[in-house]
Amino acid sequence: KAGVTQTPRYLIKTRGQQVTLSCSPISGHRSVSWYQQTPGQGLQFLFEYFSETQRNKGNFPGRFSGRQFSNSRSEMNVSTLELGDSALYLCASSPGTMNTGELFFGEGSRLTVL
Amino acid sequence: DQQVKQNSPSLSVQEGRISILNCDYTNSMFDYFLWYKKYPAEGPTFLISISSIKDKNEDGRFTVFLNKSAKHLSLHIVPSQPGDSAVYFCAASAGQAGTALIFGKGTTLSVSS
Repeated sequence: KAGVTQTPRYLIKTRGQQVTLSCSPISGHRSVSWYQQTPGQGLQFLFEYFSETQRNKGNFPGRFSGRQFSNSRSEMNVSTLELGDSALYLCASSPGTMNTGELFFGEGSRLTVL
Repeated sequence: DQQVKQNSPSLSVQEGRISILNCDYTNSMFDYFLWYKKYPAEGPTFLISISSIKDKNEDGRFTVFLNKSAKHLSLHIVPSQPGDSAVYFCAASAGQAGTALIFGKGTTLSVSS
């Protein structure tokens, strides 16, 4: 079974730009969650999508948004980038029907904002 | 305010000995606790979990203990192997929060041969 795939793996942007990250979940998984990992704050929950609907949202500003497509693939977007948005963005998938917290993570997209 | 705390940033253990990683939490609403392991350049990998209705869960070399009164959980690895060297994250979830896990900042385990 293929794992969670995230693209791009690395990207560099400048302040004020926007970025879109993509995530393909494990086949059959309907829930996709996004996390931000930084050295100072650790892993923080951004949002979760299930069946194309946002089911849960973390405490991030509205510049962070996401969506999920009918094939369960998900994208997250960050607009008006700030230096503090530099982080590893991790996508995780799960079947979505039993919320035990067992997630399958991708390798992440490393975003650097200059 | 950190709801899940891993107070030891690092731990060094010799191969074959026991590794004990600790985690404290503050939110009494947490009902599911998990441990994830992360190697460099990879995403976290689920290791083991425990429901708040239990006080122990075992899976091979890995055992998680939960002390609800102390709001403390620990992960025991016996025997430790060099391949266990990684960053270990403690995580918790509450009720319907499901995939909205609250993570600790991690403990780096180094197992020497």
